[in-house]
Amino acid sequence: DVKVTQSSRYLVKRTGEKVFLECVQDMDHENMFWYRQDPGLGLRLIYFSYDVKMKEKGDIPEGYSVSREKKERFSLILESASTNQTSMYLCASTRAVATNEKLFFGSGTQLSVL
Amino acid sequence: SQQGEEDPQALSIQEGENATMNCSYKTSINNLQWYRQNSGRGLVHLILIRSNEREKHSGRLRVTLDTSKKSSSLLITASRAADTASYFCATASQAGTALIFGKGTTLSVSS
Repeated sequence: DVKVTQSSRYLVKRTGEKVFLECVQDMDHENMFWYRQDPGLGLRLIYFSYDVKMKEKGDIPEGYSVSREKKERFSLILESASTNQTSMYLCASTRAVATNEKLFFGSGTQLSVL
Repeated sequence: SQQGEEDPQALSIQEGENATMNCSYKTSINNLQWYRQNSGRGLVHLILIRSNEREKHSGRLRVTLDTSKKSSSLLITASRAADTASYFCATASQAGTALIFGKGTTLSVSS
């Protein structure tokens, strides 16, 4: 089965730090996504990528950037972490969205910014 | 955003009872998907229903879709304590490039 691996399960960082969240998938999927999940707000799309070096903004890209240098790896970068970025971050991948393929999710990274 | 909305936000039932969750969305869709999330974990795909389908079954899951009302329902029959989780509906963005999720229904099944 497809495996999506997020590098950290829990992460604690300080305000102003640069934070890297890593995600790796092993099924040669073209599409990868970063969501954040907050209580009462559900999942919100931050960024996604449909190919190497390609990226698209989601609904809430402010304060974030992404990198996709290799097909299997999609990194989320918090340039200068702030307390309002404390959240659960979920990475997902799929072969295609347009042809109704399902998403495979990682286990999530719970980030706390102090 | 065309985020879907699940209803109710929370649902508590006894083992053996049926659980029904609803999802409403805003724009036309090609398909609608349901996902499950155990506490503090990633989401797992449950079932997909295409826009030309009205009902679909998978084990104890039954999904309906009413495109005229822009709504879907997920029925879990004979619920078990292990069904305790959050359930989300998802539809493709208007550009068809990403899945947009609702806020979820939290189901609690007590034994």
